Amino acid sequence: DIVMTQSPDSLAVSLGERATINCKSSQSVLYSSNNKNYLAWYQQKPGQSPKLLIYWASIRESGVPDRFSGSGSGTDFTLTISSLQAEDVAVYYCQQYYNTPYTFGQGTKLEIK
Amino acid sequence: EVQLVESGGGLVQPGGSLRLSCAASGFTFSSYWMSWVRQAPGKGLEWVANIQQDGSEKYYVDSVKGRFTISRDNAKNSLYLQMNSLRAEDTAVYYCAREGSKQLLSWLDYWGQGTLVTVSS
Repeated sequence: DIVMTQSPDSLAVSLGERATINCKSSQSVLYSSNNKNYLAWYQQKPGQSPKLLIYWASIRESGVPDRFSGSGSGTDFTLTISSLQAEDVAVYYCQQYYNTPYTFGQGTKLEIK
Repeated sequence: EVQLVESGGGLVQPGGSLRLSCAASGFTFSSYWMSWVRQAPGKGLEWVANIQQDGSEKYYVDSVKGRFTISRDNAKNSLYLQMNSLRAEDTAVYYCAREGSKQLLSWLDYWGQGTLVTVSS
């Protein structure tokens, strides 16, 4: 199984500042045949279900604010929130869908400093 | 509007069985792979299983193989998870989720609100 490791486990950022969350996979999730990274990011607010933010490592889901962006390739990926808003307080998860079983990172808890 | 509504959770004794259901609406259910994902209390997300559009292909995480069975009824727009030989470590909120790309190996673009399964004596 592919192991997904996020860093840091928790993060406190001031409103309006940049937040960066990292995700590393134990093997490449880049499919050579289509040059796509099989990596998604989700946001889970307290008491809610997860919400898709990013897929193919960098494609923003419809309706997701453009302050959220994804980058990276192969085994190293980053979710960036360019200007933190109060409503962004949540736990963020990366997920690989390169093969089954799909696996998630352990989550990064984002708080306001 | 896409909606996924889970039901069937509850308290069950170790070794017992439970069947979860997920009612889908707002999209052509028969066109999508579907998944179950679980989350133990205070923990992260764990993918459990998925099923192809016509039910012919299914995949499971190792920890539930031989105990859980995923199925679907496209005529009823419903997804199911039959859980047998339940263990304390199966205690979690179980989410139904749609796979966004219509192919195997996909992100999960819509999630239900979840149903809580508690395995305890």
